[in-house]
Amino acid sequence: AQSVAQPEDQVNVAEGNPLTVKCTYSVSGNPYLFWYVQYPNRGLQFLLKYITGDNLVKGSYGFEAEFNKSQTSFHLKKPSALVSDSALYFCAVYRDYGGSQGNLIFGKGTKLSVKP
Amino acid sequence: EAQVTQNPRYLITVTGKKLTVTCSQNMNHEYMSWYRQDPGLGLRQIYYSMNVEVTDKGDVPEGYKVSRKEKRNFPLILESPSPNQTSLYFCASSSTNNYGYTFGSGTRLTVV
Repeated sequence: AQSVAQPEDQVNVAEGNPLTVKCTYSVSGNPYLFWYVQYPNRGLQFLLKYITGDNLVKGSYGFEAEFNKSQTSFHLKKPSALVSDSALYFCAVYRDYGGSQGNLIFGKGTKLSVKP
Repeated sequence: EAQVTQNPRYLITVTGKKLTVTCSQNMNHEYMSWYRQDPGLGLRQIYYSMNVEVTDKGDVPEGYKVSRKEKRNFPLILESPSPNQTSLYFCASSSTNNYGYTFGSGTRLTVV
């Protein structure tokens, strides 16, 4: 069964330092992977996705993610964190039911806290 | 502006009193879905719809109903709400061939 795991409930980073938010996945077949961000009292916003192609995917707000098939990981990264990056981050994998049907399965979320 | 609109944003109700949370999208998306978000559990899918008059259960459908009579609307119905349905609810939509979702701003429901 398709699933994603976010092993860290919270990640703390100092402003200006690089950040990594971890995600591992379990799928049969080729994975379609996503990252979303949720700011307080807001809905989820799409950051980036990996469908096929280059293993390094660039997304919104300077974020990128690296797809690693051998480690079944899709970690979210940013070279220099900002205080405004503080939010809840969700990794997701697309579960394909076949016949153009499917849905996103989300991890439990990782709270990113960036301190000045 | 392309968006998914949910109403209400906040709702407090009593056990057993039927309620409906509305969801509307203006992007002509075929696919719509409802999720609930609970601390430590992430987002779990309640119901989804591939198109008008086509709906199916997600992972946690018990106690909920949906309908898709028009492409733009996908209301979530709680016939007899219970306290364990206290949660933050999100509606989402996407076009069939685009796996990225657009989410609404959420509805925080409290059942007392």
